[in-house]
Amino acid sequence: QVQLQESGPGLVKSSQTLSLTCTVSGGSINTDHYYWNWIRQPAGKGLEWIGRVYTSGSTNYNPSLRSRVTISVDTSKNQFSLKLRSVTAADTAVYYCAREVAATGNAAVFDYWGQGTLVTVSP
Amino acid sequence: QSVLTQPPSVSEAPRQRVTISCSGSNSNIGNNAVNWYQQLPGKAPKLLIYYDDLLPSGVSDRFSGSKSGTSASLAISGLQSEDEADYYCAAWDDSLNAPVFGGGTKLTVL
Repeated sequence: QVQLQESGPGLVKSSQTLSLTCTVSGGSINTDHYYWNWIRQPAGKGLEWIGRVYTSGSTNYNPSLRSRVTISVDTSKNQFSLKLRSVTAADTAVYYCAREVAATGNAAVFDYWGQGTLVTVSP
Repeated sequence: QSVLTQPPSVSEAPRQRVTISCSGSNSNIGNNAVNWYQQLPGKAPKLLIYYDDLLPSGVSDRFSGSKSGTSASLAISGLQSEDEADYYCAAWDDSLNAPVFGGGTKLTVL
């Protein structure tokens, strides 16, 4: 059974960089069957896709966040990571990592999710 | 404001049937598969329906999905109290080159 687990600081100061890591267990991240995604959800609000990374290291980002986001993969550790620069209070949210099926191209099929981690941006 | 439009809330009595709509455009629902996610209170979203109308293993057949043109629907029959959750539709958007979500629909079982 595949499991994803987010880790990282729960509190980040405004203007600093938010850094999170997702550790994948129960399966290899080094496969061309899946993309590895970050998705966030502000309290009481909907889901917002942040971006994804492929095992090759290629990435896609939400156009609204592209200038501040970097997602990378470390196949040796079976992990992928998120860096979001110059954060503000608007970046306070629960951050999820999720696996996306790549078998038939772009289809937004997120079949496994981490439990989520709350990141609060402080003044 | 979400790219895909869902009603903020729906409610229905136990054992009844409810549908949740999701409206988009030709760049997303009209040209790509729709997926539905269930988010129970305090939990991560869970894949409920994929590729418009397919059920992942382990998902009750009380859930079903359909699509027509630029709109999609999620139907839940035989409502149970455990179905109370937020439901999100999602699809790839060709113009944005990104997946997009609906704003979510809160289901209340009366």
